[in-house]
Amino acid sequence: KQEVTQIPAALSVPEGENLVLNCSFTDSAIYNLQWFRQDPGKGLTSLLLIQSSQREQTSGRLNASLDKSSGRSTLYIAASQPGDSATYLCAARLSGYSTLTFGKGTMLLVSP
Amino acid sequence: KAGVTQTPRYLIKTRGQQVTLSCSPISGHRSVSWYQQTPGQGLQFLFEYFSETQRNKGNFPGRFSGRQFSNSRSEMNVSTLELGDSALYLCASMQGGDTQYFGPGTRLTVL
Repeated sequence: KQEVTQIPAALSVPEGENLVLNCSFTDSAIYNLQWFRQDPGKGLTSLLLIQSSQREQTSGRLNASLDKSSGRSTLYIAASQPGDSATYLCAARLSGYSTLTFGKGTMLLVSP
Repeated sequence: KAGVTQTPRYLIKTRGQQVTLSCSPISGHRSVSWYQQTPGQGLQFLFEYFSETQRNKGNFPGRFSGRQFSNSRSEMNVSTLELGDSALYLCASMQGGDTQYFGPGTRLTVL
């Protein structure tokens, strides 16, 4: 059974700082891994999807990496802004027909 | 394309009642998944429907059920509501095994 862990559970940084969010998974035979953002009381917004054959994906100030052998993914946020404050979730999929297994998220607060 | 839509957005029910939630996926997406999100348990998978068939099922009691129609719209039903069913219910649609797109959720409160 796939288990996904995110550390830290909460993170507070000043505006402008670069930061890294961590995600680890127990089954390295993943199909893909997806990073989401969730604002309080809202649905999830997809940020990046990394296929198992890829090492990283980039979108604007966000960069996600995937290391299957170590069971880890990281989400790098450059030059953080107060608008980045949200909960960030990672989720792993074992096959094209399986479900997403989610971590419990990292709650990020970026202070002006 | 329009995103995933969920109705209603908010619901208040009492214990013992039943409730039906609706989800309309992104046009062309045949897979619809349902999740329950609570502060204590996080996001938990309920079930997934693909082409009107349940393809995957999470570890929830039989009070939770769902279905998918020929136009890919999906409904989930919870019977005999319990206080612990209070949660944000999220629906997501997907094409192939690619990116999963989520709706805004339905906030269910059971009194």
